[in-house]
Amino acid sequence: NAGVTQTPKFRILKIGQSMTLQCAQDMNHNYMYWYRQDPGMGLKLIYYSVGAGITDKGEVPNGYNVSRSTTEDFPLRLELAAPSQTSVYFCASRDPGQGATEAFFGQGTRLTVV
Amino acid sequence: KQEVTQIPAALSVPEGENLVLNCSFTDSAIYNLQWFRQDPGKGLTSLLLIQSSQREQTSGRLNASLDKSSGRSTLYIAASQPGDSATYLCAVGSNSGYALNFGKGTSLLVTP
Repeated sequence: NAGVTQTPKFRILKIGQSMTLQCAQDMNHNYMYWYRQDPGMGLKLIYYSVGAGITDKGEVPNGYNVSRSTTEDFPLRLELAAPSQTSVYFCASRDPGQGATEAFFGQGTRLTVV
Repeated sequence: KQEVTQIPAALSVPEGENLVLNCSFTDSAIYNLQWFRQDPGKGLTSLLLIQSSQREQTSGRLNASLDKSSGRSTLYIAASQPGDSATYLCAVGSNSGYALNFGKGTSLLVTP
């Protein structure tokens, strides 16, 4: 059972480049999330989705975009990368159908913008 | 906005000690609280999930309690081992939103 899979694990970008962080889950969860984690800080919510075709901004959405065309996939797009986007990015999912359920996280993507 | 605070930020204990990690939150209207473990350079591993209607959950040497009215949760680790060394994160799911709000974590070091 793969759970939540993120690719790539590591990436170095130059300022101004763009990239897409991939996230896929095989648990048929409706809710999916993108967080970023900076050193010494808690995880901050970038975007979330409550189902295919529905996305919404979290606490720190500037500089990012998302889409949710299927239940399984929730890619995060960085346009015009900036050094401030150097961080570790985590994707997560959970199923709200049974009430307040456990959230599962991917292993993270470590991104450096130089 | 839900604010989650974890105390202490760092903790070092000798092997075998029992220890308590604290988590507090400002809005008591929550649907659950989840404790995670994070090893350096790794992802988050779920340790315990407490529903809003529950008072505690146990898994092996771990016990988590929840007091919604006072906005507090504790994670109790019995007979600590060097393998318990990691950062422990508390995350709260609030009724006002869909996502988990995280504390900054407690960095635990258990020395042999």
